Amino acid sequence: EAGVVQSPRYKIIEKKQPVAFWCNPISGHNTLYWYLQNLGQGPELLIRYENEEAVDDSQLPKDRFSAERLKGVDSTLKIQPAELGDSAVYLCASSLVSPETSGRARNEQFFGPGTRLTVL
Amino acid sequence: EDQVTQSPEALRLQEGESSSLNCSYTVSGLRGLFWYRQDPGKGPEFLFTLYSAGEEKEKERLKATLTKKESFLHITAPKPEDSATYLCAVQAVGGYIFGTGTRLKVLA
Repeated sequence: EAGVVQSPRYKIIEKKQPVAFWCNPISGHNTLYWYLQNLGQGPELLIRYENEEAVDDSQLPKDRFSAERLKGVDSTLKIQPAELGDSAVYLCASSLVSPETSGRARNEQFFGPGTRLTVL
Repeated sequence: EDQVTQSPEALRLQEGESSSLNCSYTVSGLRGLFWYRQDPGKGPEFLFTLYSAGEEKEKERLKATLTKKESFLHITAPKPEDSATYLCAVQAVGGYIFGTGTRLKVLA
């Protein structure tokens, strides 16, 4: 079974330029996540989709970041314009989230390899 | 505020030297605690899910345990290939929160 696919793997851009990242989740997974990971830190959630609906985008800097999930499958994360502080690894993850039973969340996430962004 | 803290930040072990990694949490309404392994240049890889205090899960040389305030990842007789960053995450009412991880290096 294919895992989560992300592209590109690496991207170097000048500040103020736009950049886009693409993610193809595991087939059948209803939930998709975009995370940002700085060196030596854990992943930080940017946005979470359930099917095609963005259900948690509270940490997404909406002045420069945007995301979409077409037909509830692939997703694109865009930054425009990029700033020096945006240099990080951008991770995409997917999961098959089932309704909670007895207060237990079935939410094992499967991650792609990430896109390492360098803003010069 | 929901919080997840992992310790130590880094750990060096000799091959065969058993040890434990700690993940302490303060969250509202724990719905699950998850352990992941992350190798350099790769995304995190799921290891275990724990739900209730007293629960344990095992996989090869790894065993995860859970109390009401913390989780431990016990590594028994580690090998160099166990070297990685180990992340814990909690699913709470407020969302899914990762700790900063423990970087484990196992020396041959």
